Amino acid sequence: ETGVTQTPRHLVMGMTNKKSLKCEQHLGHNAMYWYKQSAKKPLELMFVYNFKEQTENNSVPSRFSPECPNSSHLFLHLHTLQPEDSALYLCASSQATSGGGTDTQYFGPGTRLTVL
Amino acid sequence: GESVGLHLPTLSVQEGDNSIINCAYSNSASDYFIWYKQESGKGPQFIIDIRSNMDKRQGQRVTVLLNKTVKHLSLQIAATQPGDSAVYFCAETIRRNFNKFYFGSGTKLNVKP
Repeated sequence: ETGVTQTPRHLVMGMTNKKSLKCEQHLGHNAMYWYKQSAKKPLELMFVYNFKEQTENNSVPSRFSPECPNSSHLFLHLHTLQPEDSALYLCASSQATSGGGTDTQYFGPGTRLTVL
Repeated sequence: GESVGLHLPTLSVQEGDNSIINCAYSNSASDYFIWYKQESGKGPQFIIDIRSNMDKRQGQRVTVLLNKTVKHLSLQIAATQPGDSAVYFCAETIRRNFNKFYFGSGTKLNVKP
């Protein structure tokens, strides 16, 4: 148990559906991340939030829409996805320092997404 | 990080033996490194980290070695156990570049009982 929870753990959706992934961290961290993990590929950073502000969008298609209402919660809203978007979506959190730099990222268990 | 391939490199070891997993990182300016373990169906789990001002750091049954000259990182696991079976990957970052870690694709460790 890393202190980062994600729901749902598994999700199957059609290309016309709208769904949301949820992440919650209980570590008191102030930075949160979304990553995509496809089979046998390195983790791909999608979005970064520091102190609830989005500071990184790694050229992610607009069919993925993040939301960070507070420093403990992070959402990823999904709509009109493609089959190639099927992957494990991982949330992470870390304690970003005021002087820049960041501490270790702690990951949730991920949401296994299948797009039909 | 490691190059992306069509299949994960696999290391098979006998239970009780020592394991060495390697990682070649790409950015000579990287100054902070982490090893993660990812078991099937789970998210990556922090194992050990090291800063560039060190060349060795030890944890419980694990040791990370850093060779900045050749941009090489290794993870040594002593007395490997079946529960160590997982994918291991390294991550690198430049600490002043807020939040950006670069991850390798990983090595699969199989521990034979």
